Amino acid sequence: QVQVVESGGGLVKPGGSLRLSCTASGFKFSDYYMNWIRQAPGKGLEWLSYISGSSRYTHYAESVKGRFTISRDNSKFSVFLQMNNLTAGDTAVYYCARGNSLDSWGQGTLVTVSS
Amino acid sequence: DIQMTQSPSSLSASVGDRVTITCRASQGIRNELGWYQQKPGKAPKLLIYAASSLQSGVPSRFSGSGSGTEFTLTISSLQPEDFATYYCLQHHSYPFTFGPGTKVDIK
Repeated sequence: QVQVVESGGGLVKPGGSLRLSCTASGFKFSDYYMNWIRQAPGKGLEWLSYISGSSRYTHYAESVKGRFTISRDNSKFSVFLQMNNLTAGDTAVYYCARGNSLDSWGQGTLVTVSS
Repeated sequence: DIQMTQSPSSLSASVGDRVTITCRASQGIRNELGWYQQKPGKAPKLLIYAASSLQSGVPSRFSGSGSGTEFTLTISSLQPEDFATYYCLQHHSYPFTFGPGTKVDIK
């Protein structure tokens, strides 16, 4: 069955960096573009970024443009989110999700930005 | 960017009630809208895609309708497991945007 699993979250200081990973299984990974979404504590969902199956196309929300970079390695069935210059406002659970309908989500990984 | 609004922001209902949630887009998005259910501490789950298509495995009491700028999610007979927060998402253009959510709780 389709499964995506995020990892890489943790506690990081303001100004620091973190790289999240999302590993997929149960479908032809390279055929799908993948998304990152986050949810701050007690808040709603915020779409962050997408990458096409071939990595040719990417898009970002304004809130993370220039600080976050999405990438993927189809040979490892994985998508990544490199997060730089983190602030307290980036504290959230980060999810990856499949395709334009976001039809399958991982369980999320918590990123806490605090000194 | 396309702004998504949802109404109501919360509602209280009883088991067996018919519940309708509305989502509006600030500009036309054709039928490029999904509805998601999220329970506390869990990831969102896709219920409806393409505005009105039921995702595989989702009970038929959930239905979606609409096109353009106005969309609805209907739960025909609310069940105990349906108490959750519901979000709409437009994927017509980047950046994708979610509605602020509708929390459905027990009356």
